[in-house]
Amino acid sequence: DVKVTQSSRYLVKRTGEKVFLECVQDMDHENMFWYRQDPGLGLRLIYFSYDVKMKEKGDIPEGYSVSREKKERFSLILESASTNQTSMYLCANQGKNTGELFFGEGSRLTVL
Amino acid sequence: AQKVTQAQTEISVVEKEDVTLDCVYETRDTTYYLFWYKQPPSGELVFLIRRNSFDEQNEISGRYSWNFQKSTSSFNFTITASQVVDSAVYFCALSSSNQAGTALIFGKGTTLSVSS
Repeated sequence: DVKVTQSSRYLVKRTGEKVFLECVQDMDHENMFWYRQDPGLGLRLIYFSYDVKMKEKGDIPEGYSVSREKKERFSLILESASTNQTSMYLCANQGKNTGELFFGEGSRLTVL
Repeated sequence: AQKVTQAQTEISVVEKEDVTLDCVYETRDTTYYLFWYKQPPSGELVFLIRRNSFDEQNEISGRYSWNFQKSTSSFNFTITASQVVDSAVYFCALSSSNQAGTALIFGKGTTLSVSS
């Protein structure tokens, strides 16, 4: 089975802190995604990556950046966390032939 | 622009009732894919089904069935004889292509509560 692992299930940070959310996959998939999930808003795409060192903005990239130095690892970075970034963050990779997404368990971030 | 609408925010049923979750999509592409995901209280999103735009056959998997109608741009999901374990948030999603690198656009989700 495809495994997508997010490093932290729960984080509490202070406004202005730099936050790293790590995501690692154990399959050889090129495409990886970061979504955030908020009540009543569903899943919204932040950034995605087609390959190492490649990145594309999604629908809500403001306040975020990403890093893809290795194929298996896709990191989401909040340069200066704000309270409106309190959310559930979901990492996913994409099946090569099927297009479906495989999700990690999510990282629930609270910014105080 | 692509869009997925799940008009039902919350649905509550009693066990053994049948329930249908609605999904309406918008896209200008002729080739596209539709998905349903389940998110139980544990939080992890679980893939349920993928359907391409050229295949309008209905699909049944146990108590789950899906009705895809291009004429109404709908891809509805029915649970027959619902059970408490079906309680979850269900998301419908759309992608314009099966090619690598195409992100899925999600609806806002429908929260299903099944009581005993």
